[in-house]
Amino acid sequence: SQTIHQWPATLVQPVGSPLSLECTVEGTSNPNLYWYRQAAGRGLQLLFYSVGIGQISSEVPQNLSASRPQDRQFILSSKKLLLSDSGFYLCAWRFGGLDEKLFFGSGTQLSVL
Amino acid sequence: ELKVEQNPLFLSMQEGKNYTIYCNYSTTSDRLYWYRQDPGKSLESLFVLLSNGAVKQEGRLMASLDTKARLSTLHITAAVHDLSATYFCAVDLYNAGNMLTFGGGTRLMVKP
Repeated sequence: SQTIHQWPATLVQPVGSPLSLECTVEGTSNPNLYWYRQAAGRGLQLLFYSVGIGQISSEVPQNLSASRPQDRQFILSSKKLLLSDSGFYLCAWRFGGLDEKLFFGSGTQLSVL
Repeated sequence: ELKVEQNPLFLSMQEGKNYTIYCNYSTTSDRLYWYRQDPGKSLESLFVLLSNGAVKQEGRLMASLDTKARLSTLHITAAVHDLSATYFCAVDLYNAGNMLTFGGGTRLMVKP
């Protein structure tokens, strides 16, 4: 069976510090991978998606970047965090075919102070 | 640009009552998903609706899809406290990334 791991669960960082959130998927190959952000009490905003190694698409201009160095690894990064980067970050995956639901990781609560 | 709107945004109801959450979307799609999120937790998949007229039921929840009206409903029957959570609908876009666009969520509180 497939599993998705996301860490850390909680992170408190000062403004201007770097960020690295990691997500890995097990039990499948060539998944589509996604990073979403959820502001407090709000819906989900798609930040990045990837259909393969080294292939990253961004949905919104922002202070963040993403990389996919391996087939089942997706990393979200920032060189200098802003206060507005605070939120709940969710990694997700789905099979590459159509009609498949998203499976979400457990999320990272990021607080930038 | 695809827009997905849910209403109501917040719903407080008594146990034993029925209610419906609505999800409207702005462009053609026949793939719609419902998710549940408990406070501070990740999202859990509830239903996948893949065609016009699709209806899925699980316990006290029933979801339906009308692609012509671009509308999905999540009906709650005889609500119980355990159903308290935030519910999201999400619509699929036909593109290379197979992205889901989420509605803003409906926060449901079921009071004893």
